Amino acid sequence: DGGITQSPKYLFRKEGQNVTLSCEQNLNHDAMYWYRQDPGQGLRLIYYSQIVNDFQKGDIAEGYSVSREKKESFPLTVTSAQKNPTAFYLCASSKTGTANTEAFFGQGTRLTVV
Amino acid sequence: GENVEQHPSTLSVQEGDSAVIKCTYSDSASNYFPWYKQELGKRPQLIIDIRSNVGEKKDQRIAVTLNKTAKHFSLHITETQPEDSAVYFCAARSGTYKYIFGTGTRLKVLA
Repeated sequence: DGGITQSPKYLFRKEGQNVTLSCEQNLNHDAMYWYRQDPGQGLRLIYYSQIVNDFQKGDIAEGYSVSREKKESFPLTVTSAQKNPTAFYLCASSKTGTANTEAFFGQGTRLTVV
Repeated sequence: GENVEQHPSTLSVQEGDSAVIKCTYSDSASNYFPWYKQELGKRPQLIIDIRSNVGEKKDQRIAVTLNKTAKHFSLHITETQPEDSAVYFCAARSGTYKYIFGTGTRLKVLA
């Protein structure tokens, strides 16, 4: 069954701890993305990657880090430097090249920092 | 920087009426414009999209229009039904494969 999978669905962490959110896709997509969604707000881009071993900062990258060692995987680490990490995190992937196609989303991870 | 503005933020319509959501983008290099529907606690899912070489596209009760000169695109839903109630996001994708999303419109269809 092809798709994009995020885990876990819910995550609780204590303030000051780093936490890593998993995102895996088997769609053979080159591009992957991380978005943050706060209640009643839109999707804000944290990081994106167009190809393995390369990634760029989005609009709100401070306090976050990523890696892209494999095409299928794009984990996001929320560090203790992120001042307000409680949010709903969405991972997405898409094709690149000349074809303009949709971004497919994972089911999201709801992170709560207490 | 790149920006997508979306209006209105909330929209209530009577069942059977039409709903229109409007977006404006800033990056003239944007060439692909998808619309997503997100139900509470779920992932956003594509409902319709349009490419920069097309002015209008329709799929049953849903249509999207694009005005490249004005950098505007709009979502039109006709004969709305209660199950259309959700949050709708527009997006613009640039040549760098970056999707920039609008802030969302919460649509309520009143029975």
